[in-house]
Amino acid sequence: GAGVSQSPSNKVTEKGKDVELRCDPISGHTALYWYRQSLGQGLEFLIYFQGNSAPDKSGLPSDRFSAERTGGSVSTLTIQRTQQEDSAVYLCASSLGGSAQMAQYFGPGTRLTVL
Amino acid sequence: AQSVTQPDIHITVSEGASLELRCNYSYGATPYLFWYVQSPGQGLQLLLKYFSGDTLVQGIKGFEAEFKRSQSSFNLRKPSVHWSDAAEYFCAVGGGHNTDKLIFGTGTRLQVFP
Repeated sequence: GAGVSQSPSNKVTEKGKDVELRCDPISGHTALYWYRQSLGQGLEFLIYFQGNSAPDKSGLPSDRFSAERTGGSVSTLTIQRTQQEDSAVYLCASSLGGSAQMAQYFGPGTRLTVL
Repeated sequence: AQSVTQPDIHITVSEGASLELRCNYSYGATPYLFWYVQSPGQGLQLLLKYFSGDTLVQGIKGFEAEFKRSQSSFNLRKPSVHWSDAAEYFCAVGGGHNTDKLIFGTGTRLQVFP
């Protein structure tokens, strides 16, 4: 079946602009995760959704970052007033949820470049 | 706090040779452990996972990993490496309180020579 999809695959923006990144999880997966992969920081957790609520948003680096999930499906990660240090690959993952035993399946990522 | 250490940043092996990638974790309870592989320009693919039971787990692509509680390790192995195994490998731990997030190691880049 279809895997996790993310759009856009690449995004180039200017410093100070807002960006929205989209994630479509695997159908039926109730849990959704956002991670960030950058050269200096490796793979970092950002936020976790169970259904439409976010029990863990401890990884969001600043209040410029926010995320929402609607209908228990699609999620959008928004970065306001982008900075050059926001440049990274943003990865989305989904799982059946309900337990950390459920393996997370990752999308191909969105490469964000802030000029 | 949970943490994962992958001591080897870069490993080079010859095709057909055996492989072991090291992973050590720090966790207060029984961890849930994972190995993922990332090929250039690709997303992360799950190789295998450990939750409980048999400490030797088999994964895809001929990989296996062994959980050793006494050493806080979860090393990944493959008896004979293929050129297509060249990629970056990430060990991860999960199962924290009130969260299903994964904590990743910094990764090991595997290079395979013919």
